[in-house]
Parts: sequence; C-alpha cells; structure tokens
Amino acid sequence: NAGVTQTPKFRILKIGQSMTLQCTQDMNHNYMYWYRQDPGMGLKLIYYSVGAGITDKGEVPNGYNVSRSTTEDFPLRLELAAPSQTSVYFCASRTANQGEKLFFGSGTQLSVL
Amino acid sequence: AQSVTQLDSHVSVSEGTPVLLRCNYSSSYSPSLFWYVQHPNKGLQLLLKYTSAATLVKGINGFEAEFKKSETSFHLTKPSAHMSDAAEYFCVVSDRSNDYKLSFGAGTTVTVRA
Repeated sequence: NAGVTQTPKFRILKIGQSMTLQCTQDMNHNYMYWYRQDPGMGLKLIYYSVGAGITDKGEVPNGYNVSRSTTEDFPLRLELAAPSQTSVYFCASRTANQGEKLFFGSGTQLSVL
Repeated sequence: AQSVTQLDSHVSVSEGTPVLLRCNYSSSYSPSLFWYVQHPNKGLQLLLKYTSAATLVKGINGFEAEFKKSETSFHLTKPSAHMSDAAEYFCVVSDRSNDYKLSFGAGTTVTVRA
C-alpha cells in the first residue's frame, strides 16, 4: 500500500514550457486534491475531484488544468509555465466519509525560470 | 467564509519544555478544526481534529488542543518537546460555507534546541 505517490519530486521549467505533475493513489479514495504551498502562505487549493470524471476549481485554478479519468490518477497540467507558478505542489486524497483526514503525497518542488 | 490565523510564524523551544502553538479561527457555522504537521521534505499528516465533541482533543505524539468558542481559538500544546517535534504545523478549519473544503493557516515552524 503506497498511499499517495507524486512524480516528479523536483523539476525546473523555462517560462512558457508545459508539464504534467502526476498523482496516483492506491487507497480507492473518491476525493482527490491539488494544493500549492508558498512560503508563509499555507496551502492553497488549486483543483479538486470528487470522483472519476468530475473535477472542480479551487481557490487558485488559473494557469492549471486537471483531469480524472480513473479513480487512481489525478494529473495536474501546466500549459504555459510562469514564474508565479514556482511553488511546492501537493496532491492529497480522502475517503467520502472522513472529510478531514487527507492523505498527502510527498510533494513536487517546481521552479519556473 | 471560514479562515484561520496562526499567531506565530516561528516558535523555538528547548527540548523538554512545553510547546504552545496559537490558532484563532473565523467561521459563521459550527466549524471542524484540525492540526496538521509537516516534517521536512514530507507531506502533511493529521495530528488531531475537533468535530463538536469533547473540547479538549488529544492527538498523536503527545499533542493536544482545546477548542474555545468564546475566544474562537484552537491552540495546540505539548507538555514536553522532543527533538522529533521540529516541523511545520498548520491549523485548518472547515465548515459548510465552503462545502467543507479545508482552509489552511500560514503555518508555524517549530525548532527544538538541545
């Protein structure tokens, strides 16, 4: 049981490049989330999904896209990377009936230069 | 909308002394409150939660928190700090105003001196 797995752990992008942050969980959780963590700012919700085929915007969705074709996977797409997207990204998941207990991946540190 | 304010961005304690991390919340409804801990280069882990049962909540690793509605506070304490408690701690609130999505505080970094 690996929990929530994020890849890559580190990435450096040039402005305008695109990339996909991968997230997969093996706990059969319906709910999945993408957060970004900036120094002194806590975590901000980018997108979330309540099940396969269903996604919705969080607080800071601009510049990102997501898809949820399976229960296990919830990739986050950056189409035109900007310096403002330099951050640490966390994927998380939970069951439908334990709303507060999120299981987090170990994060992806992204720098856009 | 709900929100939390963590009153200290950084707390430094000596090993074996008490730890106090302060959190005030804002919520128009009956909130659920949580503390999460993040060790270096790790994801976040749930430390404890309050969901309208007992106001004094015990969590993992000897931590506890007290919900005080009159003060809109949910401070985290531990009687005796250990070196392994060095981490970042997040106070989190959720209520029905935001479809029970979590709102995170800015975090408090704890350092423990030997």
